[in-house]
Amino acid sequence: EVQLVESGGGLVKPGGSLRLSCAASGFTFSSYSMNWVRQAPGKGLEWVSSISSSSSYIYYADSVKGRFTISRDNAKNSLYLQMNSLRAEDTAVYYCARSQLYCSGGSCYGYWGQGTLVTVSS
Amino acid sequence: EIVLTQSPGTLSLSPGERATLSCRASQSVSSSYLAWYQQKPGQAPRLLIYGASSRATGIPDRFSGSGSGTDFTLTISRLEPEDFAVYYCQQYGSSRGFTFGPGTKVDIK
Repeated sequence: EVQLVESGGGLVKPGGSLRLSCAASGFTFSSYSMNWVRQAPGKGLEWVSSISSSSSYIYYADSVKGRFTISRDNAKNSLYLQMNSLRAEDTAVYYCARSQLYCSGGSCYGYWGQGTLVTVSS
Repeated sequence: EIVLTQSPGTLSLSPGERATLSCRASQSVSSSYLAWYQQKPGQAPRLLIYGASSRATGIPDRFSGSGSGTDFTLTISRLEPEDFAVYYCQQYGSSRGFTFGPGTKVDIK
């Protein structure tokens, strides 16, 4: 069974940093592109970042570029999101999601974690 | 950057009725890169449709997707009680990454 479990969320002050983790199991992690998607309270989904299976390709939303860094450790079956210079508008539930191999360019997300809440407030 | 617009914002229907949801892109999107998701309160999204018209594993055939270019449609042929949720379209724009639409809420009339 595919499982994605996020951790690392919490309350942080504006300007602070946080590192999210996503532990993957039930599939060959090193074969799949992975993604972070966030959802502010009561709002819609916002794509944050994506990383290819071997970390060769990395993309960021303009809203987080230069502040967030996505990475992965295939030996540990883990995905990470380092978030620096956090702002109030970064407050959201952050989901880890796996791209499906059958979707061109990894363009669809077939499995999602349950999310971890990040709150940026003084 | 490609912007996705979904309409209507809210669709109020009764069980058994047909739902037609629209997703319009600000510029042409490859059909291969258009997906639809369903999200219920307190849950993670679920993939329904990929490649504009292919159903994901385990998705009932009352869900169908169509469209090309800038106009895409998700159709639910007969609404079941469990289908009342928010639906998002998503596109992939190569080096520009991914974009989600703002969502359409399907609620019970």
